[in-house]
Amino acid sequence: SQQGEEDPQALSIQEGENATMNCSYKTSINNLQWYRQNSGRGLVHLILIRSNEREKHSGRLRVTLDTSKKSSSLLITASRAADTASYFCATLSNFGNEKLTFGTGTRLTIIP
Amino acid sequence: NAGVTQTPKFRVLKTGQSMTLLCAQDMNHEYMYWYRQDPGMGLRLIHYSVGEGTTAKGEVPDGYNVSRLKKQNFLLGLESAAPSQTSVYFCASSYTTRQETQYFGPGTRLLVL
Repeated sequence: SQQGEEDPQALSIQEGENATMNCSYKTSINNLQWYRQNSGRGLVHLILIRSNEREKHSGRLRVTLDTSKKSSSLLITASRAADTASYFCATLSNFGNEKLTFGTGTRLTIIP
Repeated sequence: NAGVTQTPKFRVLKTGQSMTLLCAQDMNHEYMYWYRQDPGMGLRLIHYSVGEGTTAKGEVPDGYNVSRLKKQNFLLGLESAAPSQTSVYFCASSYTTRQETQYFGPGTRLLVL
């Protein structure tokens, strides 16, 4: 079963605009991670936010976590054509298992 | 460092044939994982290993077997391939899961006819 659900499933924006993707999950988590996947490639880790953190930044990326709403958002500022990819959230549960559970992803297209 | 590598990159099998997918990592990671990715399904965990000589079942283990005889290698076997196993397979590794991120290989595209 999918722990994380991304929203929207697909997003197209103009280059230079900001892109926001959301992730909702169901159970208590230890941490939440965001990954990027370029077409035909493996996943690349972007950022990890722990359950006791509310916001984290990395370059043009900003991630927020609201554990009361069981949701997270990924903001990419000043988008570039190279940001075109699929973005996945993944959660690590607090319930003893050591496995990440991935959502179904958001397909982001940056229009030059 | 090569990171995580996977062999082969692409393979076509006939129903009932067997094959082994090889994953290798040179980062001295303890944990290794095999996922499959299907359209609209995200990544689903097949099997994983928390150290040399150990394996455990993930979310969708049926039809697959794994072995971790060496710390750097994690093998995924299909004993009798079925069309439902047509997918893209990704291997990943990490120091541990609770604190660390996972590093992914480039994937193996498998088509079962």
